[in-house]
Amino acid sequence: QSALTQPRSVSGSPGQSVTVSCTGTSADVGRYNFVSWYQQHPGKAPKLLIHDVSQRPSGIPDRFSGSKSGNTASLEISGLQTDDEADYFCCSYAGTYNPFVFGTGTEVTVL
Amino acid sequence: EVRLTQSGAELKEPGESLKISCQASGYRFTDYWIGWVRQMPGKGLEWMAIVHPGHFNRRDNPSFGGHVTLDFDASINTAFLQWRSLQASDTAIYYCARRRDVTGSPFDLWGQGTLVTVSS
Repeated sequence: QSALTQPRSVSGSPGQSVTVSCTGTSADVGRYNFVSWYQQHPGKAPKLLIHDVSQRPSGIPDRFSGSKSGNTASLEISGLQTDDEADYFCCSYAGTYNPFVFGTGTEVTVL
Repeated sequence: EVRLTQSGAELKEPGESLKISCQASGYRFTDYWIGWVRQMPGKGLEWMAIVHPGHFNRRDNPSFGGHVTLDFDASINTAFLQWRSLQASDTAIYYCARRRDVTGSPFDLWGQGTLVTVSS
């Protein structure tokens, strides 16, 4: 199972919006509405931001939003803040025996 | 507080064995899947295996080919990841993480990570 494809890096100025894409296949992203997104600050553990394509866990600000079209999922970060500077990983369910296909990861830089 | 607490960093030589741990607190250990995720230096996340301490089902990522053993002790709410013979390529941070017992659920709670360094 190949990793989902993400851009290596995206950047934006404070207050702007950035979008991180996550491209999979018809066997994972395109087949299931079980895409999640994780934020990882340097030296820290990943943190769940989005699950089930667009659902935010309690405590996650609504500046973070998720969507999906076909085989590509997207994470939008609006009102960019310096603390949003981190690595972001998408992840898709791909069946009972392959519950996690992670993306390659995207470094978000706040200019 | 709901948390996963992992054992400390390890420095090992190739060929040595190792067992690292992940203790759950603040929730019922047997209600959730518990799994392990590898992150090699400067790289992305890879799931290795998950097990459900309540019904004993497990899933293994074929990419890891049985090189590691996943175990748990429900009496102490702890999961373990074990190697019989470490290789230099096992150098990585290993995270344990929790997953609800619902199809498609993500890892919603993560441990702080255990750095394993294998070097002669």
